Amino acid sequence: NAGVTQTPKFQVLKTGQSMTLQCAQDMNHEYMSWYRQDPGMGLRLIHYSVGAGITDQGEVPNGYNVSRSTTEDFPLRLLSAAPSQTSVYFCASSDGSIYNEQFFGPGTRLTVL
Amino acid sequence: GENVEQHPSTLSVQEGDSAVIKCTYSDSASNYFPWYKQELGKRPQLIIDIRSNVGEKKDQRIAVTLNKTAKHFSLHITETQPEDSAVYFCAAPGLAGGSYIPTFGRGTSLIVHP
Repeated sequence: NAGVTQTPKFQVLKTGQSMTLQCAQDMNHEYMSWYRQDPGMGLRLIHYSVGAGITDQGEVPNGYNVSRSTTEDFPLRLLSAAPSQTSVYFCASSDGSIYNEQFFGPGTRLTVL
Repeated sequence: GENVEQHPSTLSVQEGDSAVIKCTYSDSASNYFPWYKQELGKRPQLIIDIRSNVGEKKDQRIAVTLNKTAKHFSLHITETQPEDSAVYFCAAPGLAGGSYIPTFGRGTSLIVHP
């Protein structure tokens, strides 16, 4: 099993550009989520999904869109990148039960100039 | 929703010393408390967890204790080694839309000096 995969690993954008961060998992997990990690701020939840076709907002959703058309994939879209979105982004998945281990992807380091 | 506070934000110890990281949570219904370790440039990974029906769990040099009355849990690392240097996150589950959505603490950067 590949677990949770993310692409790209690194990305540099100019302000106003759009892009999609890809996330896929092969563990048949119902629950998937996106976090951003900034120094001193820990892991902040952007959006999450409890199953295909179901998404909801987390703590910091502004400027990001998600969709979940399949169980495996959960892409994160930046509509108009801003310097404040410079961060490391982690995708995670779990089976959604209370005793659930979160499996994280390797992360995407995004810089917005 | 769940609120998780983690202290300290930075912890510096000498090799061989013990390290303790503490977290408090707000939702008295929470009953699962994992700890994740993130090495520099890597992804967070689960290292130990505890369920509310026990007060302590050990795995070699790491242990987690839980005080449900006070709503806090702690990670204990004994005989620290340089490879223990990392950022550690605690988490507690919050119920949303029928699924359990973990809330993470802000992390503790542990530095072990040789």
